[in-house]
Amino acid sequence: AQTVTQSQPEMSVQEAETVTLSCTYDTSESDYYLFWYKQPPSRQMILVIRQEAYKQQNATENRFSVNFQKAAKSFSLKISDSQLGDAAMYFCAYRTSPTSGTYKYIFGTGTRLKVLA
Amino acid sequence: DAGVIQSPRHEVTEMGQEVTLRCKPISGHNSLFWYRQTMMRGLELLIYFNNNVPIDDSGMPEDRFSAKMPNASFSTLKIQPSEPRDSAVYFCASSFSPVRGSPLHFGNGTRLTVT
Repeated sequence: AQTVTQSQPEMSVQEAETVTLSCTYDTSESDYYLFWYKQPPSRQMILVIRQEAYKQQNATENRFSVNFQKAAKSFSLKISDSQLGDAAMYFCAYRTSPTSGTYKYIFGTGTRLKVLA
Repeated sequence: DAGVIQSPRHEVTEMGQEVTLRCKPISGHNSLFWYRQTMMRGLELLIYFNNNVPIDDSGMPEDRFSAKMPNASFSTLKIQPSEPRDSAVYFCASSFSPVRGSPLHFGNGTRLTVT
């Protein structure tokens, strides 16, 4: 079975600085997607970025980028120029290969990011 | 698009009572997921459906939990009887599985408190 591990329960970053959140996963599949979601105190789950396993190029969305190391099964999230609004819980998620026409999404336990003014 | 709609937003009930959580997925989405979020266990997948058919309910913790999807626009998660350890935030999410890379779209969750 696939697993997703986020080894950093909590991280802090100074406003305007850069922070990297770690995520590793375990799988025997070759076709999958990886996602980062953000959950602010409002508890809404917001998609931050996605990465297809077949693509070697790292995904980027404005200040958010990933470092995808497929062989190492690592998928870290880098937040540049951190802002107070980035403070949230961040979840790494793995989407499996299709089964019965759909996919299963497995989440890590999350990393709480604090942004210091 | 209204997004995934869950109701109620908060539910407080007494132990032993039946609880029904409701979800309306995004129109056109054909996969629906129920997750439970707690501090101790994070986000746990309880059950998911594809085209209204349950695919995997191995995450449902006990027989007290049941889920249905009678049509493409509605799903329920029922707990009967409820227990204090069921207290958590329950999320419903949907996606459109034929699209590669389709992410999950989450509702705002239902915070359940069982006293």
